[in-house]
Amino acid sequence: AQKITQTQPGMFVQEKEAVTLDCTYDTSDQSYGLFWYKQPSSGEMIFLIYQGSYDEQNATEGRYSLNFQKARKSANLVISASQLGDSAMYFCAMRGPFSGGYNKLIFGAGTRLAVHP
Amino acid sequence: DTEVTQTPKHLVMGMTNKKSLKCEQHMGHRAMYWYKQKAKKPPELMFVYSYEKLSINESVPSRFSPECPNSSLLNLHLHALQPEDSALYLCASSHELTYEQYFGPGTRLTVT
Repeated sequence: AQKITQTQPGMFVQEKEAVTLDCTYDTSDQSYGLFWYKQPSSGEMIFLIYQGSYDEQNATEGRYSLNFQKARKSANLVISASQLGDSAMYFCAMRGPFSGGYNKLIFGAGTRLAVHP
Repeated sequence: DTEVTQTPKHLVMGMTNKKSLKCEQHMGHRAMYWYKQKAKKPPELMFVYSYEKLSINESVPSRFSPECPNSSLLNLHLHALQPEDSALYLCASSHELTYEQYFGPGTRLTVT
């Protein structure tokens, strides 16, 4: 069975500083992927970044980077130069093997990030 | 354009009402999903449609009835709901060859 663990219920960071949100996972599948989504108070889930299990390079998207350590089964999100608009709930999610043109996502409990001026 | 739209934004309904939630995407995605999210919890998958056919039903009670009339549209028909069904209902879609799911803004449902 797949499992995603986010151990930080809440995090605080000063504006313009970097912050790391932790995510560990467990799966017996060889092919899988890790996602990070941002959910502001408005409710919409915003896709941030994706890392496949066979990808050799860590994924980056603008100020977001994913620190993927396969042996440790961790996929931490690093946000550089935090902005006030980054205040939101952040979910780590994992997909299993891809079949039938769709994939199931399993979400972690989430980490609420607060950026202070 | 990575837009998934959902209507209505908010819905209040009594336990004897029948209502429907609507989700639409025009990205050519062939997989569409319904999630339920309770306050302070992660989303939980309810249904998956792939190529307009129901592929996954995560043991959802029959008072929730999904429908996929065409490849761009996904409905969730609601009937005889309970107060504990009050939640944010999120729709998502994904391309059949890629992994990212794109979510709509959700419908906040309150059952009185």
